[in-house]
Amino acid sequence: KAGVTQTPRYLIKTRGQQVTLSCSPISGHRSVSWYQQTPGQGLQFLFEYFSETQRNKGNFPGRFSGRQFSNSRSEMNVSTLELGDSALYLCASSPGPMNTGELFFGEGSRLTVL
Amino acid sequence: GQQLNQSPQSMFIQEGEDVSMNCTSSSIFNTWLWYKQDPGEGPVLLIALYKAGELTSNGRLTAQFGITRKDSFLNISASIPSDVGIYFCAGQGTGTASKLTFGTGTRLQVTL
Repeated sequence: KAGVTQTPRYLIKTRGQQVTLSCSPISGHRSVSWYQQTPGQGLQFLFEYFSETQRNKGNFPGRFSGRQFSNSRSEMNVSTLELGDSALYLCASSPGPMNTGELFFGEGSRLTVL
Repeated sequence: GQQLNQSPQSMFIQEGEDVSMNCTSSSIFNTWLWYKQDPGEGPVLLIALYKAGELTSNGRLTAQFGITRKDSFLNISASIPSDVGIYFCAGQGTGTASKLTFGTGTRLQVTL
């Protein structure tokens, strides 16, 4: 069974640009959540999607957005990039709504903002 | 953002030693989980705990859900080199607050 796949793995952007990250969950998983990992702030919850609907949102500015498609694949977008957005962005999937906390993480997309 | 207090931050131990780490929160959680992250990888779930007082084992790993629901600990017995990595606790609330709050992490390094 293939795991959670995130693309791209690495990317470099400059301030003011925007970026879109993609996540394919484990086959059959319908819930996808996103986390930002930085050395200073650790793992911070961004948002969770289930059946194309956002169920939960973390404390991030509106520049961070996401969506989920009918095949459960998800994308997140960050607009007007800032230096502080440099981080590892992790996607995680679970079979149903994220109520058990048992998440399967991808390897992450490492974003560097210059 | 909110983080759980996890200690120790890092530890060096010798192969074969037992390891203990813990996590505390000012908030009550209904679920406690422990994840491990290897370099260049995403976190992997080790143990999930769903009841206050629950003690659960997974091989050489044992974790407990504190009776106050505000803490949890993880023990690793007879550590081996592949135990190296960062261990995170995570807590989950209920209802609409069903997002994970992660601990600050414990970096474990094993010397031969």
